[in-house]
Amino acid sequence: GQNIDQPTEMTATEGAIVQINCTYQTSGFNGLFWYQQHAGEAPTFLSYNVLDGLEEKGRFSSFLSRSKGYSYLLLKELQMKDSASYLCAGLDSNYQLIWGAGTKLIIKP
Amino acid sequence: GAVVSQHPSWVICKSGTSVKIECRSLDFQATTMFWYRQFPKQSLMLMATSNEGSKATYEQGVEKDKFLINHASLTLSTLTVTSAHPEDSSFYICSARDHAQGDTGELFFGEGSRLTVL
Repeated sequence: GQNIDQPTEMTATEGAIVQINCTYQTSGFNGLFWYQQHAGEAPTFLSYNVLDGLEEKGRFSSFLSRSKGYSYLLLKELQMKDSASYLCAGLDSNYQLIWGAGTKLIIKP
Repeated sequence: GAVVSQHPSWVICKSGTSVKIECRSLDFQATTMFWYRQFPKQSLMLMATSNEGSKATYEQGVEKDKFLINHASLTLSTLTVTSAHPEDSSFYICSARDHAQGDTGELFFGEGSRLTVL
């Protein structure tokens, strides 16, 4: 079956760095997305990886290893506004998104 | 970036009534739109894929006669929750992909509609 695994909750300190991991099993693979979702709001796009390696976008970076079925989202210089859920989603061979349950990130001062 | 507008943001209705939620792509054409439901502290659950000019494709376990989807144009899809009951109370979110970007393009989400059925 298809499955996306990511930690349920993580806690980090303002100004620090945090890495949110995601492992995936999909029928075929057409890329992996990361979305940010604040409570009560719709998700917003953060990144899309389809090739191995690290993609950097400001304070956020996303990494993909297709051979390992693994991705991570790296957040640097954490700010209080980064407190949110981070959703990992894999795109399968039918271009359907398979969503993880999300990782709730709690930022402490 | 592209904008998807969803309306209404909040709706409260009585049990047994029907509620319509609209999803519009404001500056791009979307041949396909997706409808999700999200319960508190849970991930997005795909309900159905809405295809312009044709019938929607429903996920297993989603009642197509209860959740009516219409995608009459390249910029508008509607979800109607018929004969709503309290267990239908949830956060409903639509999303769309710019047709011009193909199947791997960024998925843009509407603001979501929070439905409370009394």
